[in-house]
Amino acid sequence: NAGVTQTPKFQVLKTGQSMTLQCAQDMNHNSMYWYRQDPGMGLRLIYYSASEGTTDKGEVPNGYNVSRLNKREFSLRLESAAPSQTSVYFCASSGAGPFVNTEAFFGQGTRLTVV
Amino acid sequence: GENVEQHPSTLSVQEGDSAVIKCTYSDSASNYFPWYKQELGKGPQLIIDIRSNVGEKKDQRIAVTLNKTAKHFSLHITETQPEDSAVYFCAAKSAGNMLTFGGGTRLMVKP
Repeated sequence: NAGVTQTPKFQVLKTGQSMTLQCAQDMNHNSMYWYRQDPGMGLRLIYYSASEGTTDKGEVPNGYNVSRLNKREFSLRLESAAPSQTSVYFCASSGAGPFVNTEAFFGQGTRLTVV
Repeated sequence: GENVEQHPSTLSVQEGDSAVIKCTYSDSASNYFPWYKQELGKGPQLIIDIRSNVGEKKDQRIAVTLNKTAKHFSLHITETQPEDSAVYFCAAKSAGNMLTFGGGTRLMVKP
């Protein structure tokens, strides 16, 4: 079972460059999420998509955009990367809605460094 | 909004000993408390969760306790093994809101 698949696994960007992180899930889940993980700060929600065609801001959305391409895919875009966006990014999905108390399944993460 | 504090940030134990990780939360409306384990190079994975209508839940060597009055919950791992070494995250959630994670605890089990 693939579960949640993220690409790429590692990326180095120069300040000002743009890139898109890709995420796909094969569990037929309605809800998908993008988190960033920084030392000592746990996982913070960037954006989420409750269902195909909808996206909403999370706790730390500034500097990011997202696209829910279809039910399987949810991408995260950095239009002009900044050193403060150096982090590990995780995509996740859940079968129920984002406001339901249910398990979230995470991808393996993308380690992004902005120099 | 919800704020979750997690302690300690690092924990080192001898194999076979017990490990306890504690979390406090601020929103008294929170009613769902999952724990995630993150192994090196992998994404977090749910290991156990508890809902506010119970005070304790066990799954083999893992247990979670919840004290709603004090707004804190804890993860207990007994008879620790090297494969328990990982980063553990607690989280809290209330109905209609998103999951809020603690800062994480790096557990090291020494053989």
